[in-house]
Amino acid sequence: QVQLQESGPGLVKPSQTLSLTCAISGDSVSSNSAAWNWIRQSPSRGLEWLGRTYYRSKWYDDYAVSVKSRTTINPDTSKNQFSLQLNSVTPEDTAVYYCARDSAVTATFDYWGQGILVTVSS
Amino acid sequence: DIQMTQSPSSLSASVGDRVTLTCRASQSVRTDLNWYQQKPGKAPSLLIYDASSLQSGVPSRFSGSGSGTDFTLTINNLQPEDLATYHCQQSYETPRTFGQGTKVEI
Repeated sequence: QVQLQESGPGLVKPSQTLSLTCAISGDSVSSNSAAWNWIRQSPSRGLEWLGRTYYRSKWYDDYAVSVKSRTTINPDTSKNQFSLQLNSVTPEDTAVYYCARDSAVTATFDYWGQGILVTVSS
Repeated sequence: DIQMTQSPSSLSASVGDRVTLTCRASQSVRTDLNWYQQKPGKAPSLLIYDASSLQSGVPSRFSGSGSGTDFTLTINNLQPEDLATYHCQQSYETPRTFGQGTKVEI
């Protein structure tokens, strides 16, 4: 059974960097049949896909255009986890952040973390 | 990006009712359409994939249909535990995009 667990600060000041980690159990961040995603949810934006990292003989990443210039998603194979860094945050980045596995077999987000609320406020 | 539009935004129904939710894509996504159920305070959970395939463990009262741009999620014999928001999501192309959700109240 795959399990995902987000961790990180729940409060970030405006203009600073939001950093979150997603720990994976029951699968590998280096899997050739999965991609590892960050998705956020707010009342104003609904569910918004932010980006992903995945391994297919080498590492790849994709980002939503809306956050691409200030987002980095990195795998950490030594700890079997991946991270999200979102720079220059504003109150509009306040949301529940989820990590999720994208199965290459079914092309679905088949496993999700429980989510972590991040508030951007001074 | 492909825009996903769900209707209605919310609905109220009674236990035992049949409920139909609609999702429309701004361009064809073939049958690359998934449905998720999100209960209050929880993460979304996969319900249906490939427009009509039931995820393992999901009750058979849930069913999906459609292709191209128009899709439906039907809940037969609505149960109290079906209180949730239902989201559609296209997996036809990146970025994966979601509808804004339909909240089902019992």
